[in-house]
Amino acid sequence: SAVISQKPSRDICQRGTSLTIQCQVDSQVTMMFWYRQQPGQSLTLIATANQGSEATYESGFVIDKFPISRPNLTFSTLTVSNMSPEDSSIYLCSVGYRGQGKNIQYFGAGTRLSVL
Amino acid sequence: QQQVKQSPQSLIVQKGGISIINCAYENTAFDYFPWYQQFPGKGPALLIAIRPDVSEKKEGRFTISFNKSAKQFSLHIMDSQPGDSATYFCAPGDFGNEKLTFGTGTRLTIIP
Repeated sequence: SAVISQKPSRDICQRGTSLTIQCQVDSQVTMMFWYRQQPGQSLTLIATANQGSEATYESGFVIDKFPISRPNLTFSTLTVSNMSPEDSSIYLCSVGYRGQGKNIQYFGAGTRLSVL
Repeated sequence: QQQVKQSPQSLIVQKGGISIINCAYENTAFDYFPWYQQFPGKGPALLIAIRPDVSEKKEGRFTISFNKSAKQFSLHIMDSQPGDSATYFCAPGDFGNEKLTFGTGTRLTIIP
């Protein structure tokens, strides 16, 4: 299993500012994922981050808006840039693990972002 | 465009009853079919998963049934308990690349 810590757990930000969300894992992992989840809604994958390479973004998400860093095998950050109220959401990081016939993603508790 | 659809959107079941949630997908390349459980304020957690080489898998009170030809799989919760009240997501994917596609979600409420 993996334990994931996300910081901050919540924040209220002003329009036009940026927020960096940190994701720390207690073990080394190859793949990390960043998701967005509106309260009561499904999870939408923003990007996949492998250590040592550029993040791969899903359709509708761009690096200028959501830059991601992955400096080592236990840490990643997601920045939400030039925020607008439409960016208000829960942002979740996860790590992927394959073994024992399972393909598991372990999730952090999320960062609840409100943009005024 | 949502490729993975769940039904029902919400479900209320009495304690001790059977909860059934269905998931329909379009991508025939999917070869891994998990269900995730999410409690308020928490991230989703893997509940149970199945590969396409079997049609059913049971773990305790939780059972997955898989119908490859219909491109559907379902979650059955036997003897449902108030602690099972949560949102459930199917999240089919490619077992080889760890990437999942989350379904629309089902909010389950178990009443005493």
